Amino acid sequence: DSGVTQTPKHLITATGQRVTLRCSPRSGDLSVYWYQQSLDQGLQFLIQYYNGEERAKGNILERFSAQQFPDLHSELNLSSLELGDSALYFCASSVVRSGANVLTFGAGSRLTVL
Amino acid sequence: GQNIDQPTEMTATEGAIVQINCTYQTSGFNGLFWYQQHAGEAPTFLSYNVLDGLEEKGRFSSFLSRSKGYSYLLLKELQMKDSASYLCAVRDLEYSGAGSYQLTFGKGTKLSVIP
Repeated sequence: DSGVTQTPKHLITATGQRVTLRCSPRSGDLSVYWYQQSLDQGLQFLIQYYNGEERAKGNILERFSAQQFPDLHSELNLSSLELGDSALYFCASSVVRSGANVLTFGAGSRLTVL
Repeated sequence: GQNIDQPTEMTATEGAIVQINCTYQTSGFNGLFWYQQHAGEAPTFLSYNVLDGLEEKGRFSSFLSRSKGYSYLLLKELQMKDSASYLCAVRDLEYSGAGSYQLTFGKGTKLSVIP
């Protein structure tokens, strides 16, 4: 168990809809990273929050947004969904292992857009 | 930006040794990571290299040459449970202060271990 909790595990919805994915980082971790993994693209960095503030942005679409709340949980909002948004969405926080900050991932939320 | 290249698929026999290569081109470098990912599951951390050389951890070893932009993951005494995707990831040198940390991942190498 990585200690990073993601809900829901699975989500099926229709094109044009909006969904919210939720992540709770490991206890005490201030950072939350969101990644998208689709079959043909591999793991793509979306966005990072640190202690409630946006810290870095990757390949995140304008239809997507995220926030981190005072209790450090984070939500990733995906709107106007398209078929191509079907993917695994991972949340991660960083821990120190082998002398380095290591990303540790939650189990992921599998989104299917029909 | 970063470009990371690794083979798409590999097959190896149970009990054998396999080497998974990764080459990268990056504007800055601050460490290379290897992750294992079983189908439908989360990536899990295997190894980290920031200096040139070999890091050994049980059956798994990882090597880095920064001048060549090259790393490999070596898996010994292969077991069926080692069938998974292996992801090479590079940490950029540039980061915006405390708490900022992101990895760029390659597309992964799917390893199939056969009896």
